[in-house]
Amino acid sequence: DAGITQSPRYKITETGRQVTLMCHQTWSHSYMFWYRQDLGHGLRLIYYSAAADITDKGEVPDGYVVSRSKTENFPLTLESATRSQTSVYFCASSEWSDREAGYTFGSGTRLTVV
Amino acid sequence: GNSVTQMEGPVTLSEEAFLTINCTYTATGYPSLFWYVQYPGEGLQLLLKATKADDKGSNKGFEATYRKETTSFHLEKGSVQVSDSAVYFCALSDLNSGGSNYKLTFGKGTLLTVNP
Repeated sequence: DAGITQSPRYKITETGRQVTLMCHQTWSHSYMFWYRQDLGHGLRLIYYSAAADITDKGEVPDGYVVSRSKTENFPLTLESATRSQTSVYFCASSEWSDREAGYTFGSGTRLTVV
Repeated sequence: GNSVTQMEGPVTLSEEAFLTINCTYTATGYPSLFWYVQYPGEGLQLLLKATKADDKGSNKGFEATYRKETTSFHLEKGSVQVSDSAVYFCALSDLNSGGSNYKLTFGKGTLLTVNP
């Protein structure tokens, strides 16, 4: 299916565990983004990527790692999960040549760290 | 740097009421402006956009006009429905930012609840 897919939709993990959230897009968009959404904070940018093998930190990168070996995938890894990382995570993509179109978002991953 | 300020919610209206959600921005360059909507349990969807001053974006009965003189992009709808209950985000993109600096700046979101 065309679009942007996040997996899993829901995840419960224990403090200290490593967990990876997946994001896959089918448009070959150059830009991809990871946000977390928390009550009172709105959307906060964690990491973004302008192209394969190019990534950069956003507003709240601590405790997260990203990679982008292929254009269509942009996984987000929590190296050692903490309760403060309980959140809803959204992946988004965009194309620089069509940046007036804004972003396209995935459906989100709700992560609970216990 | 760029920033977006939205009116704080929550906003609660009765069906068929008039809606305004205020949004003002600070930006360098010449930004494009967006409104996104997030329905319960879903990701954000683009609702409307405007790419230059005095442009009006519209979709699904919602409208917003890009006002450069007041740096505003207020969202309006003449008659809301229960199905409009959602969180609304104002955002801007500085199209003059190049390369790896391209990204949207979002407001904190406004929760709208419409009661029958």
